[in-house]
Formats: sequence, C-alpha cells, structure tokens
Amino acid sequence: AQKVTQAQTEISVVEKEDVTLDCVYETRDTTYYLFWYKQPPSGELVFLIRRNSFDEQNEISGRYSWNFQKSTSSFNFTITASQVVDSAVYFCALTDGSSNTGKLIFGQGTTLQVKP
Amino acid sequence: GEEVAQTPKHLVRGEGQKAKLYCAPIKGHSYVFWYQQVLKNEFKFLISFQNENVFDETGMPKERFSAKCLPNSPCSLEIQATKLEDSAVYFCASSQVRSGNTEAFFGQGTRLTVV
Repeated sequence: AQKVTQAQTEISVVEKEDVTLDCVYETRDTTYYLFWYKQPPSGELVFLIRRNSFDEQNEISGRYSWNFQKSTSSFNFTITASQVVDSAVYFCALTDGSSNTGKLIFGQGTTLQVKP
Repeated sequence: GEEVAQTPKHLVRGEGQKAKLYCAPIKGHSYVFWYQQVLKNEFKFLISFQNENVFDETGMPKERFSAKCLPNSPCSLEIQATKLEDSAVYFCASSQVRSGNTEAFFGQGTRLTVV
C-alpha cells in the first residue's frame, strides 16, 4: 500500500532561519511521482514541485530546495532564510505510476510557523 | 477558465439536509478529482472522472455521496442527508492527464459545515 509520512506535525522558526520539512514515502511501484503543496491560511492548495521516481536530481527554486533520495524513500523540502509569508501547512504527496489512477496520497501535513 | 472554480465557498446545512457542491475544471483538462479535507490536515480521495466518465470511485462513501461531470456543465458532488461528520473542506482538482506527469491544479475548496 502507498503511504506518505510527514513526522513533523508543527515547526516554529524565527524569520531568516533555515528549515527542513521531512517526507518519507512507501510504495511498491517503480514509477511514481512526488509532490509538495503549500496550504496558506487562506486555504487554497498551491503546487510547489513535482518529481518523478527516475529523476533524483535535487532542485532549487529561489529559497526553496528539494532533496529526493530513493535509497531512504525521502523527499525533503528546505526553505532557506524563511520569511513570515512562508507560514502555512505543507503537504507532501505521492501518486502511483503503474496503476496510473492519478489520485494523490497525501501526508498528514506539517504546519510551519515563521515568527518575525 | 484558467483556474479551477469551486462554488460555493461556504455551505452550511442542517443535519439531514442535502448539500451540492460545484466544480468547473480548467478548460482543456480531461480529469477531475474530488478530495475531502477533514480535521484541517487529513486529505481523503473521493472520486475521479475522465471527462464525464467515472474513473475511480474507490474513495466514495457508498451511501449518501454521488458525483457527476456532465458535458458543458460544472462537475458536482452531492451529499444526501448530511451528517455532522461530513463537515470538511471539499477540494476539486483538474489535470490534463491522469498520471503524475503533470500536476493537478486545485480549486479554493468548499467548506461544508453541518450543524
């Protein structure tokens, strides 16, 4: 069965600190896709990144970076020099590749609070 | 449209009343997904459509919940005889393809409160 675990329920940091959000996944598929979404207090879900299982290259986008390691089934997300606007709930998600249903399996989410 | 449009934004129903939620996917997107977010964080997949055809309904409660995507109409999710436990935010998402090779775009959600 597929599963996504975000062990950190809540994280609180002070502005300008770096913070890493952990994501560990379980799947028997050899082809799969991983995602990160941001849910700010306004409630919408904002897409951040997609990664397929064959691409282990790390990615950097501005202050955001992602570390995908198949060996440990992890897809961690780091925010460098955090800002108050980064305060949100962050979800890691997995979708299958072999049965190809397209549905997302979400982790429990990590609530990030960035204090000024 | 360029975004997934969900209406209404908020819906309050008395226990036992019917609730109907709407979703207009992004133009050109063939796949629509419904998710239920309860307890603020937990997402549950409900159902997906490929155009007007149900593709995967494994998450749909067998009783009381139904959904449709008809041509030239917004998709809908209907809950008959709502219960307190149906209180949640219901998200609709659409994508061009079914696989994870493209991201699903989410609507703003409909917050259903059953009192």
